[in-house]
Amino acid sequence: SAVISQKPSRDICQRGTSLTIQCQVDSQVTMMFWYRQQPGQSLTLIATANQGSEATYESGFVIDKFPISRPNLTFSTLTVSNMSPEDSSIYLCSVAEQGFGAFFGQGTRLTVV
Amino acid sequence: GQNIDQPTEMTATEGAIVQINCTYQTSGFNGLFWYQQHAGEAPTFLSYNVLDGLEEKGRFSSFLSRSKGYSYLLLKELQMKDSASYLCAVGDGGATNKLIFGTGTLLAVQP
Repeated sequence: SAVISQKPSRDICQRGTSLTIQCQVDSQVTMMFWYRQQPGQSLTLIATANQGSEATYESGFVIDKFPISRPNLTFSTLTVSNMSPEDSSIYLCSVAEQGFGAFFGQGTRLTVV
Repeated sequence: GQNIDQPTEMTATEGAIVQINCTYQTSGFNGLFWYQQHAGEAPTFLSYNVLDGLEEKGRFSSFLSRSKGYSYLLLKELQMKDSASYLCAVGDGGATNKLIFGTGTLLAVQP
């Protein structure tokens, strides 16, 4: 299975600022996925990042708020822009392997104050 | 629309058996997955069903009925370390085969 490294693991940020989360995979993958997990909730897909094309966003998520980069087959970033306390969540990147669904990075615990 | 339902919370006793149910209604289907998530950690893969029937893996088993849109995760010989959230997820069968997650079930194992 793929090994996924995500950083930072946690951060406390001021409202109005932006945070970029990095995700590194130890093998080349076509699709990378970014999820959000709000406190006490399940996982919600933010967007799918495909190398060489723009990310595909789910309903309720927009590129201006959550810009994503995917410069190569092993790396992606998610930026949370103009943060507010409602953005306080765990953000997870993942990759999919056939028959195993998603493997996840360790997550980024974001607190906006 | 996409809808995946699980009980919010369950409590069971150490050494017992517990069954966590999941019902789903999705526009596409390419497999049902169960994940375990301990507090403060990322989800970890437990099982995958794409055909009807029971898949057994040690103390954990998972069942799928596609015609009923129903799955369950069976945990046997419960241990205290099994206290966690259990997430049901469906592969939507689209071009990216993204996963749609259920609401999650928080299982508390008591002595």
